[in-house]
Amino acid sequence: RKEVEQDPGPFNVPEGATVAFNCTYSNSASQSFFWYRQDCRKEPKLLMSVYSSGNEDGRFTAQLNRASQYISLLIRDSKLSDSATYLCVVNLQRKSHLRFGAGTRLTVKP
Amino acid sequence: DAGVIQSPRHEVTEMGQEVTLRCKPISGHNSLFWYRQTMMRGLELLIYFNNNVPIDDSGMPEDRFSAKMPNASFSTLKIQPSEPRDSAVYFCASSLELSREKLFFGSGTQLSVL
Repeated sequence: RKEVEQDPGPFNVPEGATVAFNCTYSNSASQSFFWYRQDCRKEPKLLMSVYSSGNEDGRFTAQLNRASQYISLLIRDSKLSDSATYLCVVNLQRKSHLRFGAGTRLTVKP
Repeated sequence: DAGVIQSPRHEVTEMGQEVTLRCKPISGHNSLFWYRQTMMRGLELLIYFNNNVPIDDSGMPEDRFSAKMPNASFSTLKIQPSEPRDSAVYFCASSLELSREKLFFGSGTQLSVL
């Protein structure tokens, strides 16, 4: 089983739609969780951290379910500029390195 | 800040040749990571350094790969001899030691081995 698993997509949605991505992780000892965004032919960049209580940043909402070892990212009112690959990232413990999922590709169409 | 700087941006070489990829981390960052990204395998960690010391090189695919960090501002990833299956985008990333969780990636090197 992979350490971090994501639905690869692609997700093709119209502008203004709400879209949700899911991610599962295998190690219950994982402590930190993130979503990174990667544009085509570019490097990954941190989008947001994921906190136990759930957190929101504008149109983006991230949630964590430790019992189910599951992370989600919700994008509301999607924009054309949201088109990218979204990488789920997990850190096993503070001194460990990040584990990246394979990414979910999103295309927002006019 | 200039960010993480990688060179070259693109490298095309023939099988059997030596390839050297270079990275300059963000000044003040103590941790440096080398990743490889392909469509099939996604983003894979090859090796990472902390305070210029290699901490985990378990991701290095085989002895043909080697990495060095002679000082805090420079690292190299070398492949010798290169093979077509090494073709990928190689990313370097750095982070502050105490907040290693936020990685800053360079623009990557697109390597094509013919």
